[in-house]
Amino acid sequence: EAEVAQSPRYKITEKSQAVAFWCDPISGHATLYWYRQILGQGPELLVQFQDESVVDDSQLPKDRFSAERLKGVDSTLKIQPAELGDSAMYLCASSLRPIRETQYFGPGTRLLVL
Amino acid sequence: GDSVTQMEGPVTLSEEAFLTINCTYTATGYPSLFWYVQYPGEGLQLLLKATKADDKGSNKGFEATYRKETTSFHLEKGSVQVSDSAVYFCALNQNAGNMLTFGGGTRLMVKP
Repeated sequence: EAEVAQSPRYKITEKSQAVAFWCDPISGHATLYWYRQILGQGPELLVQFQDESVVDDSQLPKDRFSAERLKGVDSTLKIQPAELGDSAMYLCASSLRPIRETQYFGPGTRLLVL
Repeated sequence: GDSVTQMEGPVTLSEEAFLTINCTYTATGYPSLFWYVQYPGEGLQLLLKATKADDKGSNKGFEATYRKETTSFHLEKGSVQVSDSAVYFCALNQNAGNMLTFGGGTRLMVKP
């Protein structure tokens, strides 16, 4: 069964450092999502891509976060500089199309900022 | 805006007990409803879904019925196992877009 791949699984960094996460969606899935999940809470959408274009980044803290999906396949989420409050699980999901489609999630990257 | 409210956990049950996790939602229009499960240290797995009123989603012994009149999507299982111990998330998406809105999650602990 096809899966969403993410790396790294765990990342420890110091505040003010840069950190990047990678996601490879299920083959053929045009829509890709990045969510942030703070411990004990439900995930919240950070950014949604349709192919290589951003369709929703209203909740992305753009002063420090950036996301790209240059060829419309895999994607990178970057934080620079990292802050203590960024410690969370970062989840990537994908769906075949952007409307009325089930989202499939990867295993996540757990970030700890010291 | 849209919102999802779940019963707070943890819910602690003995093996073979009956499970209910309550979920209610607030949304305009006619959203699709989902239950996702998250095992320790892992991402979310889709458990079941329902796309219109009175639909029943089911999978692995779990069931939930889309009740538009009560805006609810309660998760049930007749006999839980230790392996069902996880965090369960109720979520909705508006069919005009695909952003998922999640509840806060309910941790289930099943004891042998």
